[in-house]
Amino acid sequence: GAVVSQHPSRVICKSGTSVKIECRSLDFQATTMFWYRQFPKKSLMLMATSNEGSKATYEQGVEKDKFLINHASLTLSTLTVTSAHPEDSSFYICSAKGLVLNTGELFFGEGSRLTVL
Amino acid sequence: AQSVAQPEDQVNVAEGNPLTVKCTYSVSGNPYLFWYVQYPNRGLQFLLKYITGDNLVKGSYGFEAEFNKSQTSFHLKKPSALVSDSALYFCAVRDPSGNTPLVFGKGTRLSVIA
Repeated sequence: GAVVSQHPSRVICKSGTSVKIECRSLDFQATTMFWYRQFPKKSLMLMATSNEGSKATYEQGVEKDKFLINHASLTLSTLTVTSAHPEDSSFYICSAKGLVLNTGELFFGEGSRLTVL
Repeated sequence: AQSVAQPEDQVNVAEGNPLTVKCTYSVSGNPYLFWYVQYPNRGLQFLLKYITGDNLVKGSYGFEAEFNKSQTSFHLKKPSALVSDSALYFCAVRDPSGNTPLVFGKGTRLSVIA
C-alpha cells in the first residue's frame, strides 16, 4: 500500500528557532502534497498545497514566510516553521496524492508534534 | 464550496452494540466521500470511501458507510463496537477533479465502553 513517512514525529524547540518537518512518499510518486495543521481536539486545517517543482499555494490566513514549503522531488516535501513561537505549537500532518496511484483517497503521514518553548 | 458536517462531538456506545457516526455533506457535483480514523498523537488512517457504484461501502475493521444522495449523508456504521474502536473519526469530502485536498468535518470522538 501507499506509505507516507513524516519526520520528526516530535520536536521541541526554543522560541525564535526554525524547525524543518519532512514528508516522504515511500512507495509511490506524489505529485501533490498537502500540509494540514491540527489544534488540540480540533479538526484538520489545510495550510497549503504543494506541487512538485512549483511554489506552494497557501490557504487564506497562513503566512507563507513563516511556513516555508518546498516540494523538490516527487517523493519529498518539507515544511519549515521559521522563527517559531509558542503559538506555532501544534500537530502538523502531511498527506500525498499519487501520480499513478490515484484511487481518490489521500495518504497521510503520522504527524509531527511541534512544541515551542 | 464543499463542506462536511459532523453533528456530534461525542458518541458513546457500549461494547457489542451497533454504532453510528453521522456525516452530512454539501458539494456542487458528485462527491468523493471518505472516513478516516485518528488515534491519539497519530496521523489519519483511511477507513473507507465512496466514489461511485454501490451506496453501501465496506471498509477496514468491519466499518461500513451508506451513501444517501437524497439526504446528502454518509453515516459510518459498525454492527458491533469494540473498545479498541474508541478514537476520533473524521468524515471528509473531496472534489474529484484536479489536485484537490480533503475537506474535513470537525470530527466525532467515539468512546466504546466495556
